[in-house]
Amino acid sequence: QSALTQPPSASGSPGQSVTISCTRTNSDVGSYSYVSWYQQYPGKAPKLMIYAVSKRPSGVPDRFSGSKSGNTASLTVAGLQAEDEADYYCTSYAGSNNYVVFGGGTKLTVL
Amino acid sequence: QVQLQQSGPGLVKPSQTLSLACAISGDSVSSNSAAWNWIRQSPSRGLEWLGRTYYKSKWYTDYAVSVKSRITISPDTSKNQFFLQLNSVTPEDTALYFCARDDNTGWKFDSWGQGTLVTVSS
Repeated sequence: QSALTQPPSASGSPGQSVTISCTRTNSDVGSYSYVSWYQQYPGKAPKLMIYAVSKRPSGVPDRFSGSKSGNTASLTVAGLQAEDEADYYCTSYAGSNNYVVFGGGTKLTVL
Repeated sequence: QVQLQQSGPGLVKPSQTLSLACAISGDSVSSNSAAWNWIRQSPSRGLEWLGRTYYKSKWYTDYAVSVKSRITISPDTSKNQFFLQLNSVTPEDTALYFCARDDNTGWKFDSWGQGTLVTVSS
């Protein structure tokens, strides 16, 4: 069982906004300041979309944003586009035993 | 721009050793500002970080506790690449394996290899 819980699915229509949550369920998950989000298309490698909770790497559209409140981090995709349909994973530093844990992933469908 | 190119067999027999290589271009395996990771993905276990190696005046390795007794990640400075060895594999080790770079500041994997599907079967 992952120490980070994500909803298995999310959906929205083109132009709408969708928010995906990532909840820390294990107190052993260390500094939650190291939350990152990845986008993955089937059969492809994940792509970094957000790091350090809310920072965007260069080249990632500003439609993607990250935030955190308490034990829950969130990824918001504004102005949904068909190309945003993918799986999204959160990660967090998990201390000196496992170092990094991944959430179970959320399949985002653009209706 | 950093590019990672993976190589290695896609089929390994149970109890044998899984070996993969990840060739780096656009960066150095000996860089003081990068760490070199292996991550795998399977339907049953999802995405799972396995370990990393990095250089800061000397070489370091960190491994996930779930594979610590069976894993070795090592650099090859002469060919600017790094390796994954996973011993005593079972069908549970069947997965899509990725190498990935992070800048050793905040656990963000900013470059990934293309992935290698490794099946453990006799």
